[in-house]
Amino acid sequence: ETGVTQSPTHLIKTRGQQVTLRCSSQSGHNTVSWYQQALGQGPQFIFQYYREEENGRGNFPPRFSGLQFPNYSSELNVNALELDDSALYLCASSLVGLPTGANVLTFGAGSRLTVL
Amino acid sequence: KQEVTQIPAALSVPEGENLVLNCSFTDSAIYNLQWFRQDPGKGLTSLLLIQSSQREQTSGRLNASLDKSSGRSTLYIAASQPGDSATYLCAANSGGYNKLIFGAGTRLAVHP
Repeated sequence: ETGVTQSPTHLIKTRGQQVTLRCSSQSGHNTVSWYQQALGQGPQFIFQYYREEENGRGNFPPRFSGLQFPNYSSELNVNALELDDSALYLCASSLVGLPTGANVLTFGAGSRLTVL
Repeated sequence: KQEVTQIPAALSVPEGENLVLNCSFTDSAIYNLQWFRQDPGKGLTSLLLIQSSQREQTSGRLNASLDKSSGRSTLYIAASQPGDSATYLCAANSGGYNKLIFGAGTRLAVHP
């Protein structure tokens, strides 16, 4: 059984550019959530994808968007990068995407984005 | 709006001590509360999940309690070891889905 894998592990972009981060969910999981973790802070929920549709979103602007594919892998896209977007981006997968609140999340190691 | 606070922010103890990490949340209407461990530069590892109807969960040397009425959870680590050194995060799920609200974490260092 494989865990959650994310790519790339590190990347550097300049302000105004666009970035795509990728996530492969754990085998058997059908839901993917994305979190942003700034240095020294706890992760913040960006959004969740279930059955290839966004079904929950945190307080992030529309320039943060995502996709989920039929194999349950996912992408996070961020347009018009700002300096404050520098953070560790974590992907988490789980089996059930319904709002039952009983899901144990499996997190990946993250993608560290630096915006200069 | 749910807010989660963790105290202390950092803790340094000698090996063998029993520890208590504290987590408080402002909205008692939660589905569950989870404790995670994060090693430097790594992702999060789920340690314990307590459903809203439960009072505590145990796994090995770890015990987590939940008191919704007071908006508090504690993580108890028995007989700490240097391998326990990490950042411990608590997260409340009050909005359903997988929208966890995290605290800023407690950075634990256990020295031999």
